[in-house]
Amino acid sequence: GDSVTQMEGPVTLSEEAFLTINCTYTATGYPSLFWYVQYPGEGLQLLLKATKADDKGSNKGFEATYRKETTSFHLEKGSVQVSDSAVYFCALRREGSNYQLIWGAGTKLIIKP
Amino acid sequence: DAGVIQSPRHEVTEMGQEVTLRCKPISGHNSLFWYRQTMMRGLELLIYFNNNVPIDDSGMPEDRFSAKMPNASFSTLKIQPSEPRDSAVYFCASSRSLGVYGYTFGSGTRLTVV
Repeated sequence: GDSVTQMEGPVTLSEEAFLTINCTYTATGYPSLFWYVQYPGEGLQLLLKATKADDKGSNKGFEATYRKETTSFHLEKGSVQVSDSAVYFCALRREGSNYQLIWGAGTKLIIKP
Repeated sequence: DAGVIQSPRHEVTEMGQEVTLRCKPISGHNSLFWYRQTMMRGLELLIYFNNNVPIDDSGMPEDRFSAKMPNASFSTLKIQPSEPRDSAVYFCASSRSLGVYGYTFGSGTRLTVV
């Protein structure tokens, strides 16, 4: 069945470091791909999305490119801040699906000053 | 826009008691989702409504759980009787266009059953 695999956390970086959080997926056809972020004590927020191959989603300095050939949607940021500390979830929406999101397990990111 | 509003933010109850969680979706959103989040199982979709009609409740763990959406601006998730293993954070999310643009989540209700 369809699935999303994220790198295990926690990922600990120093402020201003380069961030990559890996996400790969298994799905038939052309799913839509999403990154959500969850700050402590809050709900999930949509960070960025891509709906077709080679699309690049971007928001708040974060980027992710939909790579069909490697079935990946890695999250990147050039210079992280302490305020980026959160849990990041990768998710896919099946092609043609009317509701179901398939979620990764989440990756906790800790940024040290 | 006030976003998706959930109440209460925190709920502590004794085993066997009835618990009701509430959600107000974003105006204009026609799909509503109830999720449960725990450390062990991550995010689990419990039930999904489209245009106030329950479409898929296969994620509801057992008959103790029930959900209603009497109108486009209100939904409830009820647990009766509650058990300690129901302790989790329960999220409500809403979307338009069948979720093509993603979901908007509420801040969640942290439920503790003692």
